[in-house]
Amino acid sequence: DGGITQSPKYLFRKEGQNVTLSCEQNLNHDAMYWYRQDPGQGLRLIYYSQIVNDFQKGDIAEGYSVSREKKESFPLTVTSAQKNPTAFYLCASSISRGPPYEQYFGPGTRLTVT
Amino acid sequence: AQKVTQAQTEISVVEKEDVTLDCVYETRDTTYYLFWYKQPPSGELVFLIRRNSFDEQNEISGRYSWNFQKSTSSFNFTITASQVVDSAVYFCALSEAFIPGTASKLTFGTGTRLQVTL
Repeated sequence: DGGITQSPKYLFRKEGQNVTLSCEQNLNHDAMYWYRQDPGQGLRLIYYSQIVNDFQKGDIAEGYSVSREKKESFPLTVTSAQKNPTAFYLCASSISRGPPYEQYFGPGTRLTVT
Repeated sequence: AQKVTQAQTEISVVEKEDVTLDCVYETRDTTYYLFWYKQPPSGELVFLIRRNSFDEQNEISGRYSWNFQKSTSSFNFTITASQVVDSAVYFCALSEAFIPGTASKLTFGTGTRLQVTL
């Protein structure tokens, strides 16, 4: 069964701690993305990667970091520098060769920082 | 800069009613792609449709249909004979200009929450 997995579904952290969100895909997609969703808002792009060992900042990258050491994996670290980390985080992947293809999304991780 | 506007924040309908979700976009690109996604209460976004700017034909898939009008920069989504299972948040999205070999970034609207009741 091909798809994207994100773990955990719910994550709780104390302020000042870094936390890493996992994202794995077995769709053989080159491109992967991280989005943040806040209540009543659309999705905002944090980081994206078009190929292994390469990634680019999205619209709201401050306070976040990523790595792309394997094609299947694109973990996101929410650092203590992120001022409002509590949000719903969605990972996605897509084909990157050719015209824009649809992105496939994981089930999301709801992060609460207190 | 690209922008997607979904002016309807929330819509409530009774089952079997038809409902149209509006999407208006802004872009300076001549070639672009538009998407619709459904986000049920579980949270995962489900892809519904992808349409490129050169194809203005309307599309129908079962109870779903899409009306793309370049002249008004709109890409509206209609659900015919709505059902309770259609209750979700629906997002319209726009891709930036395509650059070969690069990942395509999407700009999302703020979504429309559809509530279908019995």
